[in-house]
Amino acid sequence: DAGITQSPRHKVTETGTPVTLRCHQTENHRYMYWYRQDPGHGLRLIHYSYGVKDTDKGEVSDGYSVSRSKTEDFLLTLESATSSQTSVYFCAIRTGLQSTDTQYFGPGTRLTVL
Amino acid sequence: AQSVSQHNHHVILSEAASLELGCNYSYGGTVNLFWYVQYPGQHLQLLLKYFSGDPLVKGIKGFEAEFIKSKFSFNLRKPSVQWSDTAEYFCAVNAGNNQGGKLIFGQGTELSVKP
Repeated sequence: DAGITQSPRHKVTETGTPVTLRCHQTENHRYMYWYRQDPGHGLRLIHYSYGVKDTDKGEVSDGYSVSRSKTEDFLLTLESATSSQTSVYFCAIRTGLQSTDTQYFGPGTRLTVL
Repeated sequence: AQSVSQHNHHVILSEAASLELGCNYSYGGTVNLFWYVQYPGQHLQLLLKYFSGDPLVKGIKGFEAEFIKSKFSFNLRKPSVQWSDTAEYFCAVNAGNNQGGKLIFGQGTELSVKP
């Protein structure tokens, strides 16, 4: 599992509340990613990080922000949760600096926004 | 924009049947190709990947995939499926380190294997 943990694993929240999801890795990989998984869409990239304090947007970044103050932690924040953000969120790390290196995924966080 | 298409949304097979799942991508340049599997309630696991060399790639659990550049395809195959192969399968592609080497995923194919 490449030493990736996500917390919480399940969360139910209400529309308009802020939510922060945490991804933690134990192997000091430089690249980390947040994807969301929705039926019929596969996984889509929200944000990624290529180092401490170095982050950039993915294809579905609206309504999300990220932070990476330490190599091992990559936080995803929903500033004001909406029902359209109900999804399963996966964190991933890439084992090297090359695009051919494998991305390994965490166990996921199931988020429900009521 | 890059895209990945998996034409089979749900495939139902009996044990010992052969499997082929289609994957087509749209991108004219050099790509890296991946197949991931997601067993029920679990995270994605890498089955195999291709980035250069022999276009026939062998992965874990008896899976293989063939890259056909002229057809922009990377189909997944297994000669004889087992009940334990029941899962969702995702094809993914990246094109270098654009956007951090993000993976573009297909919609997924759900495979159900009947015992």
